[in-house]
Amino acid sequence: AQSVTQLGSHVSVSEGALVLLRCNYSSSVPPYLFWYVQYPNQGLQLLLKYTSAATLVKGINGFEAEFKKSETSFHLTKPSAHMSDAAEYFCAVSDRGSQGNLIFGKGTKLSVKP
Amino acid sequence: DAMVIQNPRYQVTQFGKPVTLSCSQTLNHNVMYWYQQKSSQAPKLLFHYYDKDFNNEADTPDNFQSRRPNTSFCFLDIRSPGLGDAAMYLCATSRDWTGGAAAFFGQGTRLTVV
Repeated sequence: AQSVTQLGSHVSVSEGALVLLRCNYSSSVPPYLFWYVQYPNQGLQLLLKYTSAATLVKGINGFEAEFKKSETSFHLTKPSAHMSDAAEYFCAVSDRGSQGNLIFGKGTKLSVKP
Repeated sequence: DAMVIQNPRYQVTQFGKPVTLSCSQTLNHNVMYWYQQKSSQAPKLLFHYYDKDFNNEADTPDNFQSRRPNTSFCFLDIRSPGLGDAAMYLCATSRDWTGGAAAFFGQGTRLTVV
């Protein structure tokens, strides 16, 4: 079965520092990949998605993610963290040629220190 | 703006007392989903509708039911809430039921069972 692993349940960075949130998927066929952000007591907001076009995907709020097939990874980055980036981030995957059920990772909580 | 709206945002119900959560969408999407998200966990799919076709996840308890009277509205009924059903309930929509279609989420309803 398809699965996604997010390394690090909690990541803390200083304001202005690089943000790197890790996501690895398990699939022999590259799936569709998504990153969502969730602020406290809110729903999930789509940051970006990979569907087989460019391997470097740019999203909202200055985030981007790079699909690396050889590493089965889809890590999320942002060059300079802002206080407003503090939230929980979920990586999700769905199968190609299959139905659109999103499988979520366990999430990574990002803290940003002043 | 086109969006997914959930009501209420916060719901308190008594143990065993039926409760209904509602979701509406102005995106005119074919697919509507209900997810359950417990504290510090990833969202878990309960069921989804493709148009009027209902699809239940295998491990969704019978206590959970859903109705979709038209394209715009979808309801989650919990027939006899237990303490373990306290969670955030997320409604989402997508254009179609293919792997690449991104899901758009409402802000969620936080259910408390007392």
